[in-house]
Amino acid sequence: DQQVKQNSPSLSVQEGRISILNCDYTNSMFDYFLWYKKYPAEGPTFLISISSIKDKNEDGRFTVFLNKSAKHLSLHIVPSQPGDSAVYFCAAKDSNYQLIWGAGTKLIIKP
Amino acid sequence: NAGVTQTPKFRILKIGQSMTLQCTQDMNHNYMYWYRQDPGMGLKLIYYSVGAGITDKGEVPNGYNVSRSTTEDFPLRLELAAPSQTSVYFCASSYSGHSGNTIYFGEGSWLTVV
Repeated sequence: DQQVKQNSPSLSVQEGRISILNCDYTNSMFDYFLWYKKYPAEGPTFLISISSIKDKNEDGRFTVFLNKSAKHLSLHIVPSQPGDSAVYFCAAKDSNYQLIWGAGTKLIIKP
Repeated sequence: NAGVTQTPKFRILKIGQSMTLQCTQDMNHNYMYWYRQDPGMGLKLIYYSVGAGITDKGEVPNGYNVSRSTTEDFPLRLELAAPSQTSVYFCASSYSGHSGNTIYFGEGSWLTVV
């Protein structure tokens, strides 16, 4: 039973365009959400986060939107750059302060 | 600045063999974690530690053991390797457990059990 789902295993986007990565969750008690980025043969690195009391958080080219009623969050990357090609993981923090992870979406930025 | 260092990076084990994945961090973090990532799946927490001398089970602890004798080191022990333990293992650390964005990961250890 996956509590955090990333339904798109991969996404291909033209360089300069917007990349939108989606994440759905089932547990309404999650109160903090994070996006991590992972390059091949490296560990995940933190990208951006959002608290459940907000609906948007922005950091440079990266914006995370949270829709609590739909239990959905998305990561927007504008404009997409070749270095953004990586696997992106969505994670949610539960009441025990553990992170529940999605399966990841592989983003490919085409030149 | 080494951060989180885990060894070995690659290992092939035979069924029934034992091995230890080493993990050390130089950031003086209290919390340390071991995750596994199977193909097409998210990270699953195996064990974690909130400080030296304290360890707790995560979501998938069966077949593993850990110890935390020092703040820096958090080795993961596989006693009787099974094919189901073929996975990529990530060690991680954080100053506290209350904010996910402070988690730092090692580069991963690829383990194959044949």
